[in-house]
Amino acid sequence: EVQLVQSGAEVKKPGESLKISCKGSGYSFTSYWIGWVRQMPGKGLEWMGIIYPGDSDTRYSPSFRGQVTISADKSISTAYLQWSSLKASDTAIYYCARRDYASGTSFHWFDPWGQGTLVTVSS
Amino acid sequence: DIQMTQSPSSLSASVGDRVSITCRASQSISNYLNWYQQKPGKAPKFLIYGASSLQSGAPSRFSGSGSGTDFTLTISSLQPEDFATYYCQQSYSTPYTFGQGTKLEIK
Repeated sequence: EVQLVQSGAEVKKPGESLKISCKGSGYSFTSYWIGWVRQMPGKGLEWMGIIYPGDSDTRYSPSFRGQVTISADKSISTAYLQWSSLKASDTAIYYCARRDYASGTSFHWFDPWGQGTLVTVSS
Repeated sequence: DIQMTQSPSSLSASVGDRVSITCRASQSISNYLNWYQQKPGKAPKFLIYGASSLQSGAPSRFSGSGSGTDFTLTISSLQPEDFATYYCQQSYSTPYTFGQGTKLEIK
């Protein structure tokens, strides 16, 4: 079974750093892009960026570039999302998801998704 | 960035109703359009890719249509488990933007 398992909920203070993780299993981790999506409390989904663990090629949404860092360690099939200095406005659920595709086409989508990591930033 | 706009933002309907949700892209995205369903407290669930291709395992009462800038998700006969929030997403170019969501509520 293809599965993404994310690290647990975090409570941090403004200015602190944080790295959350997303571990893939049941498939070749280096062969599929992994994306990150933010969902602020009561709000919609925002696409943050994506990484190809095979060569660490990374693309960011302009809205998130410079605010977060996406990385991956293919030796342990894990992708990461990190902040160097958290703000209260970073409070949200963060999802990772695998970019799957239809063979022989350019169509791709996110599936499966991790269970989400709730990050709470409060003084 | 390509902006995705869904309408309506919320919709009240009854079990058995036929409902449609619209998604509009700010530029042509051909048929690079996906749909997801999200229930409270859960991760989104993938439903449709390529504007109209139903993912295996998704109920056949879900269907998608459209091309270019205008797309529609239709549920032919609402079931109790369909009450959720639905999101469209373009996969034409990064950033792969989502619509703002349509909350489907029980009337």
